[in-house]
Amino acid sequence: NAGVTQTPKFQVLKTGQSMTLQCAQDMNHEYMSWYRQDPGMGLRLIHYSVGAGITDQGEVPNGYNVSRSTTEDFPLRLLSAAPSQTSVYFCASSYSRGRDGYTFGSGTRLTVV
Amino acid sequence: AQSVTQLGSHVSVSEGALVLLRCNYSSSVPPYLFWYVQYPNQGLQLLLKYTSAATLVKGINGFEAEFKKSETSFHLTKPSAHMSDAAEYFCAVSDLDSGAGSYQLTFGKGTKLSVIP
Repeated sequence: NAGVTQTPKFQVLKTGQSMTLQCAQDMNHEYMSWYRQDPGMGLRLIHYSVGAGITDQGEVPNGYNVSRSTTEDFPLRLLSAAPSQTSVYFCASSYSRGRDGYTFGSGTRLTVV
Repeated sequence: AQSVTQLGSHVSVSEGALVLLRCNYSSSVPPYLFWYVQYPNQGLQLLLKYTSAATLVKGINGFEAEFKKSETSFHLTKPSAHMSDAAEYFCAVSDLDSGAGSYQLTFGKGTKLSVIP
């Protein structure tokens, strides 16, 4: 199994550009989440989904959109990139409603200039 | 909302010495607790988890953690540090979002472990 796959691994954007970070899992997990990691801040929850067609906001949702049309895919969209969105983004999935923890992807390192 | 405090953003130990990484959480009910490890330029890997079974939890790579309810702590230990243990370690607590019907993780800010030869 591939687990949780994130693409791209690295991206540089100009301020105002939009882009989509891709996340796919092949474990048939219902629960998926997006986190951002910033130095000294740990990981903060952006958006999450409890199943296809259902999404909700986390701690830091502003500037990001998500959708969940299939169980496998959970893309994160940056509508108009800002330098404050420079970060490392992690996608994660769980089979047990998150109770037993999440499986993380390898991350996307995004720089907005 | 839950909160997680990791004491020490950076810990250095000598190779072969005891590793102790501290984690305290805030919770009014017994939580689910986790330690994750992140090697440079990689994602997070689950080290171990406490889910209300035994209070002493053993994980991968020789790490273990003890849940102490009276101290609201879940410290991570390893008897003898190895060079390959150098990484960043995150403590996390899961919180049931009753509206969503799912558990969400709240992370501490991380502790970077350096191992000195």
